[in-house]
Amino acid sequence: ETGVTQTPRHLVMGMTNKKSLKCEQHLGHNAMYWYKQSAKKPLELMFVYSLEERVENNSVPSRFSPECPNSSHLFLHLHTLQPEDSALYLCASSQEQGTGGSGELFFGEGSRLTVL
Amino acid sequence: QKEVEQNSGPLSVPEGAIASLNCTYSDRGSQSFFWYRQYSGKSPELIMFIYSNGDKEDGRFTAQLNKASQYVSLLIRDSQPSDSATYLCAVNPNYQLIWGAGTKLIIKP
Repeated sequence: ETGVTQTPRHLVMGMTNKKSLKCEQHLGHNAMYWYKQSAKKPLELMFVYSLEERVENNSVPSRFSPECPNSSHLFLHLHTLQPEDSALYLCASSQEQGTGGSGELFFGEGSRLTVL
Repeated sequence: QKEVEQNSGPLSVPEGAIASLNCTYSDRGSQSFFWYRQYSGKSPELIMFIYSNGDKEDGRFTAQLNKASQYVSLLIRDSQPSDSATYLCAVNPNYQLIWGAGTKLIIKP
């Protein structure tokens, strides 16, 4: 069993659908992240929940909505997506010390999203 | 804008040779530096991190940091076909990681 699990692994949705991605970490970490990975581009940080605070990338469209009910679970709610949102969405967790990001992230296997 | 630059490759290296991967960064205030490996169809995994100028060795892997020149490199000795992957460089200037787009490494038997 991996430390960070994501479901579903693959998702195909139309532009008018509403779906959610789920992430669960079993490592006892206190920070969780959503990243977007597109071909030949750097990982794009979308949202961070760290030490019970939420930090977000202001360039992320409002059609992406995160939810973190506790330190082990993270969701990404998707609605009215566009074809350019098709990508691999990676969840990650880390143990933060409060003085800054450690950079030691543990990733899930990702959710491959295709928007038609 | 803070950036991390990597040659996208592919970098082709014969089996048994040394693979050298390079990364440059723009933020002089960067404090910590990371190398992640990502196999095709898999998620990134951390293989090395370095905080101080100089070299850090871990088995066949050596990370080198030169803050004055703002570059960090990863050397893989005795390259194996299993080292074929994309290597992502990440830099931590404050709280959040800044990522490069990765270098694809191919080890030829």
